[in-house]
Amino acid sequence: AQTVTQSQPEMSVQEAETVTLSCTYDTSESDYYLFWYKQPPSRQMILVIRQEAYKQQNATENRFSVNFQKAAKSFSLKISDSQLGDAAMYFCAYSLNTGTASKLTFGTGTRLQVTL
Amino acid sequence: GAGVSQSPRYKVAKRGQDVALRCDPISGHVSLFWYQQALGQGPEFLTYFQNEAQLDKSGLPSDRFFAERPEGSVSTLKIQRTQQEDSAVYLCASSFGQIVTISYEQYFGPGTRLTVT
Repeated sequence: AQTVTQSQPEMSVQEAETVTLSCTYDTSESDYYLFWYKQPPSRQMILVIRQEAYKQQNATENRFSVNFQKAAKSFSLKISDSQLGDAAMYFCAYSLNTGTASKLTFGTGTRLQVTL
Repeated sequence: GAGVSQSPRYKVAKRGQDVALRCDPISGHVSLFWYQQALGQGPEFLTYFQNEAQLDKSGLPSDRFFAERPEGSVSTLKIQRTQQEDSAVYLCASSFGQIVTISYEQYFGPGTRLTVT
């Protein structure tokens, strides 16, 4: 079974600074996807960034980038130029590439606080 | 519609009552997932539909939980004889799920918070 571990229950960053959220996962599969989701207090999960395991290049989306280390099974999220609106729960998630939509396995989340 | 909608947003049930939670996926999305999110935890998979077919129900915690999607669109998650441990947020997500979509991104609804007293 696949597992996702987020070892940082809470993180804090000052506005305009950079923060990195950690995630490790365990799988015996070679073809899969990894995701970072943001969940604000409104509860609506929003996809932040995704990474295909077969791609060596790290994904980036504006201020968000990942450090994907396949051999180490590590998938960290870097948020640059942090903004107050980035404050939320962040979940790392894994899904197997089955050729169609596939269930997500989530970590326990990291609560990010952004301070002035 | 513009996004995934769920109703009700909040539900309080007395222990032993039956509840029904509704999910309206994005129009045209063939895949639909239900997840359960306990307080302070990440969501956990419950069940998966492709159109009207329930292809995976391995995450349903007991036979008190039942899900259906009879016409391949709206889905209902039913919990019979609710227990206090059923208190959680129930999230629905839909995905296009066709081969042309590379990442099969799941779009989430706002969830239904169920409190069993």
